[in-house]
Parts: sequence; structure tokens; C-alpha cells
Amino acid sequence: QVQLVESGGGLVKPGGSLRLSCIGSGIDFSDDYMTWIRQAPGKGLEYISYISSASTNINYAESVKGRFTISRDNAENSLYLQMNSLRGEDTAVYYCARMVHDNCWFVDLWGQGTLVTVSS
Amino acid sequence: DIQMTQSPSSLSASVGDRVIITCRASQSINNYLNWYQQKPGKVPKLLIYSVSSLKSGVPSRFSGSGSGTDFTLTISSLQPEDFATYYCQQTYRTMTFGQGTRLEIK
Repeated sequence: QVQLVESGGGLVKPGGSLRLSCIGSGIDFSDDYMTWIRQAPGKGLEYISYISSASTNINYAESVKGRFTISRDNAENSLYLQMNSLRGEDTAVYYCARMVHDNCWFVDLWGQGTLVTVSS
Repeated sequence: DIQMTQSPSSLSASVGDRVIITCRASQSINNYLNWYQQKPGKVPKLLIYSVSSLKSGVPSRFSGSGSGTDFTLTISSLQPEDFATYYCQQTYRTMTFGQGTRLEIK
């Protein structure tokens, strides 16, 4: 079954850390570019970060640069997001997603999301 | 960063109506423009990629057009299952989403 499954969300205090994981199945994970996208409650979609298939290209949104780190383990079909120095505005559902290129880049597969709540 | 501005932010329409949602980029993004549909509590779903390419399985009442900085998503005849929020996305320079257009039943 083709799917992405996130885990690791939860309640964390401001300034705290959390590590999200995403496992891909039914896909050629090691060939795929992957991305993290978040959605604050009642708000729109926000790009966070992407990582190329061999981890040679990595990019972050300005809002998380220096605080979040994306990584992957292709042997484990796993994508990670290490989140440090968390703030209230980081509260959101975090989606793991696959990027595909066909004339342009787009997201064709999303996980179900994991909720991160930053609150004291 | 490239900013994406959708209009309108919300829209009320009836079943059978023709609906047009627009998306404007702050600079030219070539053809790197995609559209997603999201229903409450659900994961976003890709509708159209590269301005006008319909994803397999998406009904043909959905279409996209545009170039440079101005793009549109058209739903030719609204169906009950189309009431949702729609997002445009540019992937010319990393990735940016529009703020969303909420399509509601009139």
C-alpha cells in the first residue's frame, strides 16, 4: 500500500524540542524528494523544508531556519524533522509529503499528518 | 521569496455554477503552478499540476490556465463534493502556497 505515515507529534513547552518521523511504504523512497509542510489550526498550508533523494540538497523556510533540521534514512524508508527552540507559532499539523517532477515539481502523496502543540 | 495571492479568499456558489479562482505570483514562475483541494479534516489532494495538467482521476470539470504571474482554476459545473478549500502552489523557487480560497455552498 502506497502511504506515508508520520509520528512523533505531541505537546511540548515553548523552547522545547521534538522529533517527527515519517515512514514511506509502497514507494521508491530512496529515489524521492521529500518535504515537510505544516498547517496551523484553521490556517493555510506552509512549506517548511525539503530534502533531495540523496540528501545532497536541503532547503528550509526562513521561519524555521536554524531551528529545524530535516534528514532521511533511505535504508529505513524514513524521513525526519528535528525541531528545536519551539515556539507557539509552530503549533500545527505537520505533513510529510513526496515531491515529484513532471514539467514542474508538485506534491503527489501526503501523510495523514501529526499534530504538534507548543504550549506551556 | 515568491508570494502567492489567491482571490477571492472565500466564495459562495451553487451546484451547477461555473467558478473561477485566481492566483497571482509576485514574480514570474514559468509553468511551476499547481492546485490542491482540501476538505475539512482531510489531507490536501492534488488537482492540477504544471498550470493545466489534470492529475489522473480528477474530474474534467476542473481545469487550469495562465502563464507568467497570473493563473486560474476553473470548475465548469460545481458538484456537491467540490465544496472545499483550494490552494495554489508555486514550485519555481522552493515552494509557496496561496492563502487558500474557501468555496462554500450558497
